[in-house]
Amino acid sequence: EADIYQTPRYLVIGTGKKITLECSQTMGHDKMYWYQQDPGMELHLIHYSYGVNSTEKGDLSSESTVSRIRTEHFPLTLESARPSHTSQYLCASSPHRTGGREKLFFGSGTQLSVL
Amino acid sequence: AQKITQTQPGMFVQEKEAVTLDCTYDTSDQSYGLFWYKQPSSGEMIFLIYQGSYDEQNATEGRYSLNFQKARKSANLVISASQLGDSAMYFCAMREGSNDYKLSFGAGTTVTVRA
Repeated sequence: EADIYQTPRYLVIGTGKKITLECSQTMGHDKMYWYQQDPGMELHLIHYSYGVNSTEKGDLSSESTVSRIRTEHFPLTLESARPSHTSQYLCASSPHRTGGREKLFFGSGTQLSVL
Repeated sequence: AQKITQTQPGMFVQEKEAVTLDCTYDTSDQSYGLFWYKQPSSGEMIFLIYQGSYDEQNATEGRYSLNFQKARKSANLVISASQLGDSAMYFCAMREGSNDYKLSFGAGTTVTVRA
């Protein structure tokens, strides 16, 4: 059902490297989100966007940055990866409708390990 | 303050039996939505069921039903006739207001179905 894609699925990288996690959706959704999840724990919202050129920080402070130049694309960038960034990153999107009933569609996630 | 509380970190259930997963929430908004998601070991988030704060009937989706008790601020998920494929982590989430699209998640409950 979900047409939202995240790459890579797994990434192991050394400290200090710059990385970009890709997220794309083909559903034409205006709203996109990045959540961070440690193993067996809850999801924390780190960034969201309500449309092109709109980005906001989420509830959990993050050293990552995002951009939204195209509706379908919402990449997340870490300028200098650290071991504390090791986590799963989940991208999600939802359509623009009023009423609040719209569910989030999630990608399969990127499991990031920083050594 | 925690917006979503799931007090059961892990549960075991026998195949074909029903299981209830607890979820309590905290909000001062009159309009809000409650969601349940399933996360198998593969990591993706699968939407299960939605309940709006103004919905008079408890939501049902196949084997999933939501026991919504507004005065108690609880939204428990009931899975009937458990199957081995139901083994996963289950998250309760809330959207506050009718124009805010972000979801806040609970810590999750791990369900293991035994044959």
